[in-house]
Amino acid sequence: DADVTQTPRNRITKTGKRIMLECSQTKGHDRMYWYRQDPGLGLQLIYYSFDVKDINKGEISDGYSVSRQAQAKFSLSLESAIPNQTALYFCATSDFTDSTDTQYFGPGTRLTVL
Amino acid sequence: GQNIDQPTEMTATEGAIVQINCTYQTSGFNGLFWYQQHAGEAPTFLSYNVLDGLEEKGRFSSFLSRSKGYSYLLLKELQMKDSASYLCAVLDSNYQLIWGAGTKLIIKP
Repeated sequence: DADVTQTPRNRITKTGKRIMLECSQTKGHDRMYWYRQDPGLGLQLIYYSFDVKDINKGEISDGYSVSRQAQAKFSLSLESAIPNQTALYFCATSDFTDSTDTQYFGPGTRLTVL
Repeated sequence: GQNIDQPTEMTATEGAIVQINCTYQTSGFNGLFWYQQHAGEAPTFLSYNVLDGLEEKGRFSSFLSRSKGYSYLLLKELQMKDSASYLCAVLDSNYQLIWGAGTKLIIKP
């Protein structure tokens, strides 16, 4: 079974709709992240959470919100989707006790906003 | 600002050796990562360097020079399955990962 799972894997929606992307992990990691990836660009950090009570904005948080429901669950919401939010979205986790803080990624959600 | 540079695309021949370079300018340094990403899939961890020198892991090796802000990933005995994008990322002084745009490696028979 995958250690980091994302649902849905693909989603097509319309401008103005509210969308929620979900991430779950069985790795027991405290830290969780949401990234978006656009063709030809590097991964861009949207939000990150170092534990259940800690939520931090990344470099591109405008238009997004998150919820850390439990250590194992971290959800990303687009309150009112717009076409330029069409991208591949990845959730990642890392272990606070690991000195390298290596991040491990979920399979991604491909989101299309029409 | 923070910046990571890597070539956009490289082509190599099956069985050969290829070196993918990465230069960085970041606010502090707490390690450099290389990830492999096949098209449409998740990045997967390849290597981590925090001290200068070469780290070897099977067919893949990664080198770091902190004084030069430079790293490379060396892939030996290339296989068709090595066709992928290779992402360089630096952990800065705030323990934020700064990502390069990735190098698309094309392997030809």
